[in-house]
Amino acid sequence: AQKITQTQPGMFVQEKEAVTLDCTYDTSDPSYGLFWYKQPSSGEMIFLIYQGSYDQQNATEGRYSLNFQKARKSANLVISASQLGDSAMYFCAMREALHYGQNFVFGPGTRLSVLP
Amino acid sequence: EAGVAQSPRYKIIEKRQSVAFWCNPISGHATLYWYQQILGQGPKLLIQFQNNGVVDDSQLPKDRFSAERLKGVDSTLKIQPAKLEDSAVYLCASSLRQALNTEAFFGQGTRLTVV
Repeated sequence: AQKITQTQPGMFVQEKEAVTLDCTYDTSDPSYGLFWYKQPSSGEMIFLIYQGSYDQQNATEGRYSLNFQKARKSANLVISASQLGDSAMYFCAMREALHYGQNFVFGPGTRLSVLP
Repeated sequence: EAGVAQSPRYKIIEKRQSVAFWCNPISGHATLYWYQQILGQGPKLLIQFQNNGVVDDSQLPKDRFSAERLKGVDSTLKIQPAKLEDSAVYLCASSLRQALNTEAFFGQGTRLTVV
């Protein structure tokens, strides 16, 4: 079974508008961490934001925020005021405490295109 | 602070040949990962090291792939013999420790084409 699901293969957004990228996850572990990474066409993976399963508040980092709905097992990334440089692949990833080694599991990704 | 270094950046080989990739993680990072990213897909973990010990290699095709991390620093990933379906980007990542809130830092990857 897929641990991480990203149902939007591609998304378009107008420059300066906000966009939400969906991520749902599957775990029976009460303790886990959720991450979002950006991968531009150059190929490097860039860490954006982290949310812990016990965090009471939604994480925010500059223009990035995470809409964490624990009961629904969703961790959607919200990018406010989109910029042309935000065009990239976006990956949701999870670490589980009980999984030996706590390795990162990635979703299939969403390609975001920002239109001028 | 220097990032994760990988070499080579690109490699083209014929099927049944062998190939090796090298990774130098960020200094002091105990955890090292090798991922395979096929075009259009998310990264798939191949192997995870904690210092010089293997933590998880459950998805490593051990009949053809091998990896080592000597002295708990640099790591090499080898494929022998290569198949067409091994064409992918091989990403190395490192993190300071195994902890839920610790992000992994990635290298730029090695793009392998098997012809």
